[in-house]
Amino acid sequence: KAGVTQTPRYLIKTRGQQVTLSCSPISGHRSVSWYQQTPGQGLQFLFEYFSETQRNKGNFPGRFSGRQFSNSRSEMNVSTLELGDSALYLCASSLNWGDQPQHFGDGTRLSIL
Amino acid sequence: GDSVTQMEGPVTLSEEAFLTINCTYTATGYPSLFWYVQYPGEGLQLLLKATKADDKGSNKGFEATYRKETTSFHLEKGSVQVSDSAVYFCALYNQGGKLIFGQGTELSVKP
Repeated sequence: KAGVTQTPRYLIKTRGQQVTLSCSPISGHRSVSWYQQTPGQGLQFLFEYFSETQRNKGNFPGRFSGRQFSNSRSEMNVSTLELGDSALYLCASSLNWGDQPQHFGDGTRLSIL
Repeated sequence: GDSVTQMEGPVTLSEEAFLTINCTYTATGYPSLFWYVQYPGEGLQLLLKATKADDKGSNKGFEATYRKETTSFHLEKGSVQVSDSAVYFCALYNQGGKLIFGQGTELSVKP
């Protein structure tokens, strides 16, 4: 059974650009959560999607957004990139909304120059 | 708000030494508690979990007991191996439906 797949693994962008990251959950899992990992702030919750609807949101500015498709794949978008957005972005999948996320992908490493 | 506090690292041990990584939490209600492990260049792997007071989670020789009276979930292993070198995260899953993580503890095991 394939795990959580995140693409791309690495991205380099410059300030002001926008970026889209993708996450494919484990087959059959319908809930996808996103987390940001930085050396300074650690791991922080961004948002959770279930049935193509955002169910929960962390304390991030509106530049961070996401969506989920009918096949449960999810994308997150960050607009007007700032240096502080450099981070490892992790996606987790779970069977249903409200289930504790237990399966994480290997993440997308985003570097802002 | 809810929070998790872990002992600071790095922790350096010799192979076969006893490991303890302390974790305490603050939460309303009755959260589930987790330990995740992160190897270099990888995502998080669930190591063990406990969903209610006095539950003991265990996996691969690691153990942690959910202590409600001391709001703790300390990770222990009797004999560490070089392959256990990684960063360990304690986390809680709260009524808000999100994981709240500690800052992580880096473990380095020397042969």
